[in-house]
Amino acid sequence: GQSLEQPSEVTAVEGAIVQINCTYQTSGFYGLSWYQQHDGGAPTFLSYNGLDGLEETGRFSSFLSRSDSYGYLLLQELQMKDSASYFCAVRDGGFKTIFGAGTRLFVKA
Amino acid sequence: EPEVTQTPSHQVTQMGQEVILRCVPISNHLYFYWYRQILGQKVEFLVSFYNNEISEKSEIFDDQFSVERPDGSNFTLKIRSTKLEDSAMYFCASQNFGQGRIEQYFGPGTRLTVT
Repeated sequence: GQSLEQPSEVTAVEGAIVQINCTYQTSGFYGLSWYQQHDGGAPTFLSYNGLDGLEETGRFSSFLSRSDSYGYLLLQELQMKDSASYFCAVRDGGFKTIFGAGTRLFVKA
Repeated sequence: EPEVTQTPSHQVTQMGQEVILRCVPISNHLYFYWYRQILGQKVEFLVSFYNNEISEKSEIFDDQFSVERPDGSNFTLKIRSTKLEDSAMYFCASQNFGQGRIEQYFGPGTRLTVT
């Protein structure tokens, strides 16, 4: 089957760095994306990796290793507003995007 | 900044009734998607649509569901004979692969409640 595994919950303090991991097992692979979702809101695109390596967008970075079927999202200088759910998602080679179950990030003062 | 819009924001319907959820994707995007999210759970892919036809659908997207792009702007999801388990948030998303990376823009969602 197709699956994406990520931790269900992560807690960190304001100003810290947190890493959210994602491992995937899909029939095809066309890239790993990360989305943020606040309670009651829509998913918002954060980052995308089509090739191995690190992509940096402001305080957020994302990494991909295709040989390990693994990626992570790195959030730096955490702020209270970063408290949200974070989903990794894989496009499976066709036009289907598979989402992980989401990681709920709690940022404490 | 262009955005995806969805109407209605909340729809309440009785079991067995038909509902149509509407979406207006970003105007120059070519690929359209419907997802659903049951409260507290993950986002689930329903269907993708390109060039006026379904390009891929999930096992969830059975004969009860259909999609249509009736004009140049709207993209609709129809659910025939709704069931209690169809209660969920339904998100529309659009994408333009010309950006060279995969970035989907989601609408605010329609909360469907089936009673």
